[in-house]
Amino acid sequence: SQQGEEDPQALSIQEGENATMNCSYKTSINNLQWYRQNSGRGLVHLILIRSNEREKHSGRLRVTLDTSKKSSSLLITASRAADTASYFCATDFNQAGTALIFGKGTTLSVSS
Amino acid sequence: EAGVTQSPTHLIKTRGQQATLRCSPISGHTSVYWYQQALGLGLQFLLWYDEGEERNRGNFPPRFSGRQFPNYSSELNVNALELEDSALYLCASSLGVLGVTGELFFGEGSRLTVL
Repeated sequence: SQQGEEDPQALSIQEGENATMNCSYKTSINNLQWYRQNSGRGLVHLILIRSNEREKHSGRLRVTLDTSKKSSSLLITASRAADTASYFCATDFNQAGTALIFGKGTTLSVSS
Repeated sequence: EAGVTQSPTHLIKTRGQQATLRCSPISGHTSVYWYQQALGLGLQFLLWYDEGEERNRGNFPPRFSGRQFPNYSSELNVNALELEDSALYLCASSLGVLGVTGELFFGEGSRLTVL
């Protein structure tokens, strides 16, 4: 079963624009992570935000977390064509002995 | 430092056959995770091994099984293949239970096609 659900499923923007992706989850978490997947390849970790954090930055990435609404957003500023990929949020259940559960992802297309 | 390696890259089987996929984690990583990524379904958690033992299992039938060897490499076996088993199978590793950073390191995947 899916824990995180990303929204929108697909997003098309022009280079230089900002891209915002949202993730909602169902149960309490320890942390939430965002990963990127280039077409048909392995996933690469982007950023992790802990349940007691509200916002985190890494380069052109900004992640927010609202535990009261069980939601997170990933903002990519000044998008580039190279940002074209699928983006997934992943959560761990707030209990021992569980693995990361991924959402279905948002497919981002950045055109030049 | 070598990343997570998976083999084979591609595998074609027919219904009813068995498939074996292999994964070597990053050196020093003791946890190995397997995920299935079928078209349009996102990543589905399959299995998690740590220190040679199965720690958790996703909602998959028993014909999906695996093991972790003393060198922490892992094998995923899929018996009695069905058409819907066609997918990209991703292996990931971490230093211990989701490691210090909580980050998973993924391999490039093995694409299984069942005809």
